[in-house]
Amino acid sequence: EPEVTQTPSHQVTQMGQEVILRCVPISNHLYFYWYRQILGQKVEFLVSFYNNEISEKSEIFDDQFSVERPDGSNFTLKIRSTKLEDSAMYFCASSNRSNYGYTFGSGTRLTVV
Amino acid sequence: EDQVTQSPEALRLQEGESSSLNCSYTVSGLRGLFWYRQDPGKGPEFLFTLYSAGEEKEKERLKATLTKKESFLHITAPKPEDSATYLCAVPDAGNMLTFGGGTRLMVKP
Repeated sequence: EPEVTQTPSHQVTQMGQEVILRCVPISNHLYFYWYRQILGQKVEFLVSFYNNEISEKSEIFDDQFSVERPDGSNFTLKIRSTKLEDSAMYFCASSNRSNYGYTFGSGTRLTVV
Repeated sequence: EDQVTQSPEALRLQEGESSSLNCSYTVSGLRGLFWYRQDPGKGPEFLFTLYSAGEEKEKERLKATLTKKESFLHITAPKPEDSATYLCAVPDAGNMLTFGGGTRLMVKP
């Protein structure tokens, strides 16, 4: 069964450093998303991406965050200057049409120290 | 703003003891309701989508139902491998999913 692949599975970074989280969505999917889950809390939406541009973003997704689809297969989330409160599991998801069958990756656990 | 509330927060069952999980939602317009299973340290795994009141979907020991205000995930004769956190979520017009807090299900042999 097709799956969404995320790398790395775990990233530890110093506060203030830049991190890039990588995702390979399912190949024929057109909609791409990033979500995060702070330990013990709800899964929260960050951003959605369609047709090479951001279609929606949450209040969490401020100027420190950016997304990119640098080629036909990868989808990345960059955090420019990490804060302690950015520590969370970050999930990439994709779907092949609107409001249908989002598939999530296994996540990247980001720890900011 | 869409809101999703799940209850109970945690549920302990004996193997074979059937029960139901609740997901209450408040949305401006229902565009679907999603159920996911999440194992510790993993991403949500898609289970069902329901689009209209009265709709039901089944998969093995799980059955999801939908009314105008809530959805239920019924689990029949659960097994220990059904232990997980079950999440429900609703999408807005822009495909943003709002998740509930989840129900952590523990099934003891």
